[in-house]
Amino acid sequence: NAGVTQTPKFQVLKTGQSMTLQCAQDMNHEYMSWYRQDPGMGLRLIHYSVGAGITDQGEVPNGYNVSRSTTEDFPLRLLSAAPSQTSVYFCASSRSGTSGALAYEQYFGPGTRLTVT
Amino acid sequence: AQKVTQAQTEISVVEKEDVTLDCVYETRDTTYYLFWYKQPPSGELVFLIRRNSFDEQNEISGRYSWNFQKSTSSFNFTITASQVVDSAVYFCALSEETDSWGKLQFGAGTQVVVTP
Repeated sequence: NAGVTQTPKFQVLKTGQSMTLQCAQDMNHEYMSWYRQDPGMGLRLIHYSVGAGITDQGEVPNGYNVSRSTTEDFPLRLLSAAPSQTSVYFCASSRSGTSGALAYEQYFGPGTRLTVT
Repeated sequence: AQKVTQAQTEISVVEKEDVTLDCVYETRDTTYYLFWYKQPPSGELVFLIRRNSFDEQNEISGRYSWNFQKSTSSFNFTITASQVVDSAVYFCALSEETDSWGKLQFGAGTQVVVTP
């Protein structure tokens, strides 16, 4: 299994440009999430999904859109990039709860380092 | 409001010393899960442990051990006989039943620096 994959690894954008960060997982996980990591702030949740066709906002959703048309893919769209969106972005996935446990660990992709100038 | 607090920003130790990382969480739920992740200098996030709110047993895994105390809302992590390879940022995280099991709330992280 490839696990969680993210593309690109690095990206530089100019203010106002749009782009899509790709995320895919091959573990048949129901849950997928996008986080951003900024120095001294840990990881903050942008958007998450509990299954295909279902998405919801996290802590810092402004300026980002998501959709989940398949179980495998969860792209993150930056509508009009701003310097404040300079960050490292992580995608994660986890299995949904079972009779054995209600929550499972999330598996993270390698991250995308985004710079907006 | 920050629900997971890791008050220690950075801890520096010499190899073979023990190091304890503090994690204090806040929740009104009776059912929740706590996690620890490691982020080495290479940047990936590595899962270390998951603990549910009904299981307060302490756990030991090799040189790692975890102390979960609901009475003080703490889930502390100890590395025994630290090694240079333990140098990393360590994150504590919380998932709550009334929020969504698909969400993790992270603390700010603690940077551990182990010098030879």
